[in-house]
Amino acid sequence: DAGVIQSPRHEVTEMGQEVTLRCKPISGHNSLFWYRQTMMRGLELLIYFNNNVPIDDSGMPEDRFSAKMPNASFSTLKIQPSEPRDSAVYFCASRPTGDRYEQYFGPGTRLTVT
Amino acid sequence: AQSVSQHNHHVILSEAASLELGCNYSYGGTVNLFWYVQYPGQHLQLLLKYFSGDPLVKGIKGFEAEFIKSKFSFNLRKPSVQWSDTAEYFCAVKGNTDKLIFGTGTRLQVFP
Repeated sequence: DAGVIQSPRHEVTEMGQEVTLRCKPISGHNSLFWYRQTMMRGLELLIYFNNNVPIDDSGMPEDRFSAKMPNASFSTLKIQPSEPRDSAVYFCASRPTGDRYEQYFGPGTRLTVT
Repeated sequence: AQSVSQHNHHVILSEAASLELGCNYSYGGTVNLFWYVQYPGQHLQLLLKYFSGDPLVKGIKGFEAEFIKSKFSFNLRKPSVQWSDTAEYFCAVKGNTDKLIFGTGTRLQVFP
């Protein structure tokens, strides 16, 4: 199993530009989670999907952030326009449906907005 | 609302020393509890998990954790740490939703 796949691994962009982060969950996993990790705020859940449907987006910081899951094998997190304070590592995680499973994390995308 | 507290923000140990990292949570219902580890520059990996049954849970790399329901605690232990255990450790709780609530993490540095 390839695990959760994220791309790109590193992204450097200028303030005001659109950024799209991509995630491919583990095949057969029905839940997908987007997290942001910073030194100041630690690990924050941004949004999660069950069966491609957004369930809880209360962690999305503001309207500049949006996430989609068009099918079971692909999700995107978009920031438009990006700001320097969005600089962080963004992790995607997936898990199978059911209570007795942990989340499996991807390698993360390190985003730097200058 | 669920929350997780990790009281030790930074722990420094010598190799072979014993380790205990504290984790307390607030949630009145049935919980699932997890410890994840993040090695420098890497993603989070599961160390161990508790769902039900024996409150003493054994994980990978010699780690264990004990669920004490009356204290709302799930402390992580290892009798003898190694330099390779240098990492950040996160406690997490899952209640009656799919969300994992993470603590702020504990940075462990082990010196040879």
